[in-house]
Amino acid sequence: AQTVTQSQPEMSVQEAETVTLSCTYDTSESDYYLFWYKQPPSRQMILVIRQEAYKQQNATENRFSVNFQKAAKSFSLKISDSQLGDAAMYFCAYSTGFQKLVFGTGTRLLVSP
Amino acid sequence: KAGVTQTPRYLIKTRGQQVTLSCSPISGHRSVSWYQQTPGQGLQFLFEYFSETQRNKGNFPGRFSGRQFSNSRSEMNVSTLELGDSALYLCASSYRLDKSTDTQYFGPGTRLTVL
Repeated sequence: AQTVTQSQPEMSVQEAETVTLSCTYDTSESDYYLFWYKQPPSRQMILVIRQEAYKQQNATENRFSVNFQKAAKSFSLKISDSQLGDAAMYFCAYSTGFQKLVFGTGTRLLVSP
Repeated sequence: KAGVTQTPRYLIKTRGQQVTLSCSPISGHRSVSWYQQTPGQGLQFLFEYFSETQRNKGNFPGRFSGRQFSNSRSEMNVSTLELGDSALYLCASSYRLDKSTDTQYFGPGTRLTVL
């Protein structure tokens, strides 16, 4: 069974600084997709970034980028120029496409002024 | 384009009752998935509906069921409620056309409290 592990229950960062959230996963599949979702206090799950396993190039979305290491089964999220609005729970998720999302336990990101 | 909507947003029920939650997907999306979020178990997949058929099912008891209508709207039903069913129920929709671009977009959730 596929599993997703987020080993950092909580991370802190100051405004304008950079923070990296870690995620590892376990799968025997070769074709799969990885996601980072953000869940603010409103509880609305918001897609941050998506990565296809067959793509070697790391995905980027404005201040958000990933470091995808397929051999190591690692998928970390880097947030640059952190803003107060980035404070939320961040979930790493895995899917083989058209299938269920398997989520990690989440990392709570605190942003201080 | 409107996002995924879920109704009601909050529900309070007592043990033994049943409940129905509703989800309207993003216009054009044909797949609807349901997830349960609890502090203890985290986010767990319940089931997915596509073209009015259940395509995938998670590891939940038969008390949890769902259906999808021809307009892609979906309902989830929980019968004989237990205290442990208290959770945030999230619905997500996607096009389900191309595996390489398929992404699930979530609604705001329904907070169910079982007393």
